[in-house]
Amino acid sequence: SQTIHQWPATLVQPVGSPLSLECTVEGTSNPNLYWYRQAAGRGLQLLFYSVGIGQISSEVPQNLSASRPQDRQFILSSKKLLLSDSGFYLCAWSVRADTQYFGPGTRLTVL
Amino acid sequence: QKEVEQDPGPLSVPEGAIVSLNCTYSNSAFQYFMWYRQYSRKGPELLMYTYSSGNKEDGRFTAQVDKSSKYISLFIRDSQPSDSATYLCAPRYGNNRLAFGKGNQVVVIP
Repeated sequence: SQTIHQWPATLVQPVGSPLSLECTVEGTSNPNLYWYRQAAGRGLQLLFYSVGIGQISSEVPQNLSASRPQDRQFILSSKKLLLSDSGFYLCAWSVRADTQYFGPGTRLTVL
Repeated sequence: QKEVEQDPGPLSVPEGAIVSLNCTYSNSAFQYFMWYRQYSRKGPELLMYTYSSGNKEDGRFTAQVDKSSKYISLFIRDSQPSDSATYLCAPRYGNNRLAFGKGNQVVVIP
């Protein structure tokens, strides 16, 4: 069966520090991968999606970036965090046009 | 203009009541409509989805889509305290992306 992992589960970072969140999927090949952010009082906002290794599409302009170095690994990064980057970050996967399945999420607090 | 609108609530109901949730959308090109359930501090999990207009039933849950009015509904019969969660509607669009509303928070009181 398929499993999705995210780490860390919780992170507290100072403003201006770098960020690296990791997501890995097991039990499937060539999945579509997605990064979402859920800020307080707001819905899930799609940040990036990837349909293959090295193929990243950005949905909104921001100081975040994403990379997909391996088929089942998706990384979200920032060089300098802003207060507005605080939120609940969710990774999701799907097989082509099938259902999206979400990971457990990373709760990021920027102070 | 936001693509998907949901009243965030919270909606409080007594155990056993019928819960009625809805959302509206603006993009007439949406064809698939997902409902996810999200417990506090957890990732969303898929409840059910419908294609185009019509009804779909799965146990105590019924999803309805009215494309003519761009209106999506979810009904929960015989609500249980374990149904207390936030319910997210999410139409699907190109490259299997989802457009989420803010979600409807439901509290079922024992």
